[in-house]
Amino acid sequence: QSVLTQPPSVSGAPGQRVTISCTGSSSNIGAGYDVHWYQQLPGTAPKLLIYGNSNRPSGVPDRFSGSKSGTSASLAITGLQAGDEADYFCQSYDSSLSGSVFGGGTKLTVL
Amino acid sequence: QLQLQESGPGVGKPSETLSLTCTVSGGSISSSSYFWGWIRQPPGKGLEWIGSIYYSGSTYYNPSLKSRVTISIDTSKNQFSLKLSSMTAADTAVYYCARHVVSVTPRTEYFQHWGQGTLVTVSS
Repeated sequence: QSVLTQPPSVSGAPGQRVTISCTGSSSNIGAGYDVHWYQQLPGTAPKLLIYGNSNRPSGVPDRFSGSKSGTSASLAITGLQAGDEADYFCQSYDSSLSGSVFGGGTKLTVL
Repeated sequence: QLQLQESGPGVGKPSETLSLTCTVSGGSISSSSYFWGWIRQPPGKGLEWIGSIYYSGSTYYNPSLKSRVTISIDTSKNQFSLKLSSMTAADTAVYYCARHVVSVTPRTEYFQHWGQGTLVTVSS
């Protein structure tokens, strides 16, 4: 059982917008710690997608955006493309564990 | 361009110790700006942070694995290593090494660059 909770799957048609939620607790997201997002394409290593709640590393399209409120965070993907099919993971710092914690991951299917 | 490459045996027996090495190229492991971490992913499952090390040798570990984990660093070779003792089948996973951005004030940390991963299977 992961410390951060994500829906197991989401789906959307090409061109649509989808959001993926990440719910934590008072020792991680709710304590004000940043949330970060990773994209894992099939058979590859995770790649940093969003850091510091809403910042995109160089090269990440602005179709990907992140936000945080209270004990939750969200990743939004607009203009869905077939190439966005992947697993998405959220991650934060947890003060009870004194280290990084991840969500269980969300599989995005582009219909 | 920073690259990380994991290496080590792909198979181990129960009760044995796993040893993996991560070789960093395109950047110095002695940079004061980063930690270097290990993360694992059991087949078909999510990610689990194992532990991280600073160039000075300072470490911190996931409490659930701390009793079995040792991470070390060799700045002369631009490498850092993972040892996981008393392996069981539950340790079967893809093991990734990564550059770990850690800020103390405010506290935030994330994994900026990842290796391609190496599958370790624990089986008798």
